[in-house]
Amino acid sequence: EVQLLESGGGLVQPGGSLRLSCTASGFSFSTYAMGWVRQAPGKGPEWVSTLSSSGSNTYYADSAKGRFTISRDNSKNTLFLQMNSLRADDTAVYYCAKDPAGGSYPYYFDHWGQGTPVTVSS
Amino acid sequence: DIQMTQSPSTLSASVGDRVTITCRATQSISGWLAWYQQKPGKAPKLLIYKASGLETGVPSRFSGTGSGTEFTLTISSLQPDDFATYYCQQYSSYPLTFGQGTKLEIK
Repeated sequence: EVQLLESGGGLVQPGGSLRLSCTASGFSFSTYAMGWVRQAPGKGPEWVSTLSSSGSNTYYADSAKGRFTISRDNSKNTLFLQMNSLRADDTAVYYCAKDPAGGSYPYYFDHWGQGTPVTVSS
Repeated sequence: DIQMTQSPSTLSASVGDRVTITCRATQSISGWLAWYQQKPGKAPKLLIYKASGLETGVPSRFSGTGSGTEFTLTISSLQPDDFATYYCQQYSSYPLTFGQGTKLEIK
């Protein structure tokens, strides 16, 4: 059974940083691209970033470019999202999600974690 | 960026009804469209991929059609568990984009 478990969310002041983690199990982590999707309160999902299986190809939403960095450690089955210069409009639940392919092309997400909440407020 | 627009935003229906949700893209996305179901406090769940492919384990009352810029999700006979919010997502190109959602409510 595919399981994705996010951690690292919390309350942070504007301009601060957070590092989200997602620990995966139940599948061959190093074979699949992985991504982050966020959802602000009362809003629809918003794609944030995708990382290819090898870690060599990264894709970002404009809202994340220059501030967020996606990375992975395939030896530890873990995906990361380093978020810097956080703003109030980054407040959302952040989901880790599995891509059904290796990451050469854009895809949908076939499994999602339960999400970790991030609140940016003073 | 490709914008996705769903209609209606809210849909009231009864158990046993057949319902259809529409998703339109601002440019052709061929068949690169997915549908998700989301319940309050839970993550989205994949229902349909490549416009009409039924994800493993999803009941056959869910079906998807369309190509190019117009797509539909149909639930043939609503069950109590189906009352939720539904989202479409295009994966023709980055950035991946979602529709604003359709909330399916009990009439």
